[in-house]
Amino acid sequence: GAVVSQHPSWVICKSGTSVKIECRSLDFQATTMFWYRQFPKQSLMLMATSNEGSKATYEQGVEKDKFLINHASLTLSTLTVTSAHPEDSSFYICSARVQQGYEQYFGPGTRLTVT
Amino acid sequence: GQQVMQIPQYQHVQEGEDFTTYCNSSTTLSNIQWYKQRPGGHPVFLIQLVKSGEVKKQKRLTFQFGEAKKNSSLHITATQTTDVGTYFCAGNSNYQLIWGAGTKLIIKP
Repeated sequence: GAVVSQHPSWVICKSGTSVKIECRSLDFQATTMFWYRQFPKQSLMLMATSNEGSKATYEQGVEKDKFLINHASLTLSTLTVTSAHPEDSSFYICSARVQQGYEQYFGPGTRLTVT
Repeated sequence: GQQVMQIPQYQHVQEGEDFTTYCNSSTTLSNIQWYKQRPGGHPVFLIQLVKSGEVKKQKRLTFQFGEAKKNSSLHITATQTTDVGTYFCAGNSNYQLIWGAGTKLIIKP
C-alpha cells in the first residue's frame, strides 16, 4: 500500500513552453501533498505544500506564478512549470500524506530538461 | 515493477547500541541515495553511492553499496538521541528514484 505515482517520469521541453507534472496517490487519500525540487547530490528542497481544495503554500523564494500547483482531489496534485527555462531543469519529486502526523510517501520523481 | 525493499521497518535500540538498515533492489541501480527524516521534518540528503562495492563514512555512519549495485546498507555505531528519525534509501534506475519504505530508528527510554 501507500503508493505514489508521478507522470511523466522524464520530459524534455523547449524554453518558453509549459510542462505539467502529475502526482497521484494510488491507494490512499492524501489531504496534503508536497512538491520538492532536487539538484544533483543535494537534499530535496521543499517548493510548496498543497492541501486538497485550497491554495498551495509556497516556500520563500519559490515563484507561485511560475510553479502552479493544483490539488483538485484527494488523490491528485499537479505542478505546472510555466514558461520553462533551462535553469528550471531539475528533478521534481512529490510526496503525499494522509494527514498531519502521518508518514509522507514519495513519488518516483520527474526529470525535467529544458533546452 | 522496480522495487526497493528496505528492512527493518522499525528498530528499537538502547542509546549506545548500533543500528543498521538494509535496502535491496529488484534491479541494478546506477546509484543509491540515503536520506534522514526527523519526526515532523522533511528528508535530508545524507550521501550518494555510485561505485560498485563503495563504502563511505560520515562520523558514526557507514554506508555501503553492494558489488552488484543492487543492495546497500547504512550502519550507525553507538547511536545517540540525535540519530532518532526515519532513514530512507532511494535507488536511481532508469531516471527514476525508487524509494525504500524507510526504517524508523527509535531510542528506548
